[in-house]
Amino acid sequence: GEDVEQSLFLSVREGDSSVINCTYTDSSSTYLYWYKQEPGAGLQLLTYIFSNMDMKQDQRLTVLLNKKDKHLSLRIADTQTGDSAIYFCAERMDSSYKLIFGSGTRLLVRP
Amino acid sequence: EPEVTQTPSHQVTQMGQEVILRCVPISNHLYFYWYRQILGQKVEFLVSFYNNEISEKSEIFDDQFSVERPDGSNFTLKIRSTKLEDSAMYFCASRLEGTNYEQYFGPGTRLTVT
Repeated sequence: GEDVEQSLFLSVREGDSSVINCTYTDSSSTYLYWYKQEPGAGLQLLTYIFSNMDMKQDQRLTVLLNKKDKHLSLRIADTQTGDSAIYFCAERMDSSYKLIFGSGTRLLVRP
Repeated sequence: EPEVTQTPSHQVTQMGQEVILRCVPISNHLYFYWYRQILGQKVEFLVSFYNNEISEKSEIFDDQFSVERPDGSNFTLKIRSTKLEDSAMYFCASRLEGTNYEQYFGPGTRLTVT
């Protein structure tokens, strides 16, 4: 069945890089997404990657996809205190437009 | 920048009452979605809607739930007889037509059933 897993918590120091990991089970995923949720706010789309790509870079964000291991990661370079939030990984199947979300990783950036 | 809006931000209701959660999707978007997030749990898909009909729904979306696009701008989720376990954050999302377009989410409505 469809399942997306993430580690629950990550703490980094300001200025360091953060790497948030995600694994998914369905090999028919076409797009994989990263959303950010700040306290009391909705889900903000950060970036996405198509399943035939290995890497996508967008300013401080780098997404790596290992399709063989069904592993997705989000690297945030030069992490800032404003990056503190919950980060959700989500997959979209080829046959459907619904998103399957992970449980979210809470990123805490220490000054 | 256009965004999805939702009202109210917080709704408190008694068990057994009907609630309607409202969403205004981005104006040129044609696909609409509802998701929910029970406190401490994953964001779960409820339903997708296109061309005035449901295109997909989850097991959660039973007969107590319905969706409607009553006019050209609003998209609503109705829960007919709320239960305690319906307490959650409900997110609306919309996207453009076409396979490559991502879903944009609203800020959510927190529903508390007492």
